[in-house]
Amino acid sequence: QKEVEQNSGPLSVPEGAIASLNCTYSDRGSQSFFWYRQYSGKSPELIMSIYSNGDKEDGRFTAQLNKASQYVSLLIRDSQPSDSATYLCAVKRNFGNEKLTFGTGTRLTIIP
Amino acid sequence: EAQVTQNPRYLITVTGKKLTVTCSQNMNHEYMSWYRQDPGLGLRQIYYSMNVEVTDKGDVPEGYKVSRKEKRNFPLILESPSPNQTSLYFCASSSLFGSTNEKLFFGSGTQLSVL
Repeated sequence: QKEVEQNSGPLSVPEGAIASLNCTYSDRGSQSFFWYRQYSGKSPELIMSIYSNGDKEDGRFTAQLNKASQYVSLLIRDSQPSDSATYLCAVKRNFGNEKLTFGTGTRLTIIP
Repeated sequence: EAQVTQNPRYLITVTGKKLTVTCSQNMNHEYMSWYRQDPGLGLRQIYYSMNVEVTDKGDVPEGYKVSRKEKRNFPLILESPSPNQTSLYFCASSSLFGSTNEKLFFGSGTQLSVL
C-alpha cells in the first residue's frame, strides 16, 4: 500500500464547475497535510495546508481533512482554465520526523 | 527576490562520471531537501537537512550524497551516476518547518540524463 494515494486522472471538469481532488494516506500518525499545484514543466507551489479535522477555505479553494478516515481532499470552486495542472497531496508526521511524503498527483484539466 | 536557485537546469552525463547539482537559497531557511520526480512515481525525497551539519535520509537515498556546510547551500552529489538516476530533481527549502505556516519553496528543477 502506498503511503499517500491519489487518483492519477486525468480529471476533466467544465469551466465554472467544482473540481474535487482526493487523497488517502496510510500513516495514522500523520499530522500535517498539504496540497501543492504543479503546472507542466514548472516546480510545485503550495496552495493549501490543513492540520485539523474539518474544512479550511481560502478563496476558491477548500481543503477537507478527516483523520479517522485518513482522507484529505481539495475542492476548487468556479474552476478556471488556469486551474489546469497536476495537484500533489503531501503528508508529514511531525514531532521529530520531518519526512514529507508526496502522492503521485492528480492531473486536472478544466474544459472551457 | 526570495528564491531557491538550482544549477544546472539541464545536465546530460555518462555513467560513472561524478557530478554535483548545486542548490542555494537566500531566505535564511533552516530546512532544505532534495526530491526526484519520475512519471508514475511522483516526488520522492532523497535527503533532507534540518540545519547546518544536520542531514538525514529520505525515501530514496541510495546513490546520492549531500552536505550542509553553510545554511544557504545544499548540494546533491552523485558519485557514480547510473541510468536509473535519470530524473527531474528539485531542491526545496522552508523556514517554518513544523509550524502551521510551513511552506516549501522549490527551485526550478534540474533535468538529469545519465547515458
